[in-house]
Amino acid sequence: AQSVTQLGSHVSVSEGALVLLRCNYSSSVPPYLFWYVQYPNQGLQLLLKYTTGATLVKGINGFEAEFKKSETSFHLTKPSAHMSDAAEYFCAVSDGDYKLSFGAGTTVTVRA
Amino acid sequence: NAGVTQTPKFRVLKTGQSMTLLCAQDMNHEYMYWYRQDPGMGLRLIHYSVGEGTTAKGEVPDGYNVSRLKKQNFLLGLESAAPSQTSVYFCASSYGTSGSYTGELFFGEGSRLTVL
Repeated sequence: AQSVTQLGSHVSVSEGALVLLRCNYSSSVPPYLFWYVQYPNQGLQLLLKYTTGATLVKGINGFEAEFKKSETSFHLTKPSAHMSDAAEYFCAVSDGDYKLSFGAGTTVTVRA
Repeated sequence: NAGVTQTPKFRVLKTGQSMTLLCAQDMNHEYMYWYRQDPGMGLRLIHYSVGEGTTAKGEVPDGYNVSRLKKQNFLLGLESAAPSQTSVYFCASSYGTSGSYTGELFFGEGSRLTVL
């Protein structure tokens, strides 16, 4: 069975600063890894995903994440935060059994 | 392009009442899911379906039932609502068949349920 741990339930950054959201996973098989974003009163939408191949994955809105097998991590970064990045972010893992397990989520606040 | 549509979006129930949440997708996806979202707990899988006529239990299935009589619809039922079922419920769907699964889920906008 797989599980996901997101470090930090809330992150506050200044506009223009680096955004770093941490995610560690456990999986008994090579995982599929995902980051989703949820804006207020909306459903989740996919930011990026890793399945196979290149370990540095680029997503929408300038976000990227790197799969590090040795560290069982899939941290999400964005070099320069924008006010529109304020949202809740979820890391998720699947071991290919048609189900995703989600982390508890990290809420990002962007200060002007 | 509707995607995944959930109805109703809001509902208030009294303890012991029953209700059904409807999820409809127009993307011809094989797989459909019901999750609940609670503060600090992320999303937890209630039930899922890998095709028309199939259902399976997820992480937190107790107190819920589901049906997938048509490929495009996935119903979530509460037979006797309890305050612990106060939550936001999300339906999701994904495409792919065995060997081509990629895991990307497409979500509805959620249904907020309050049980008094």
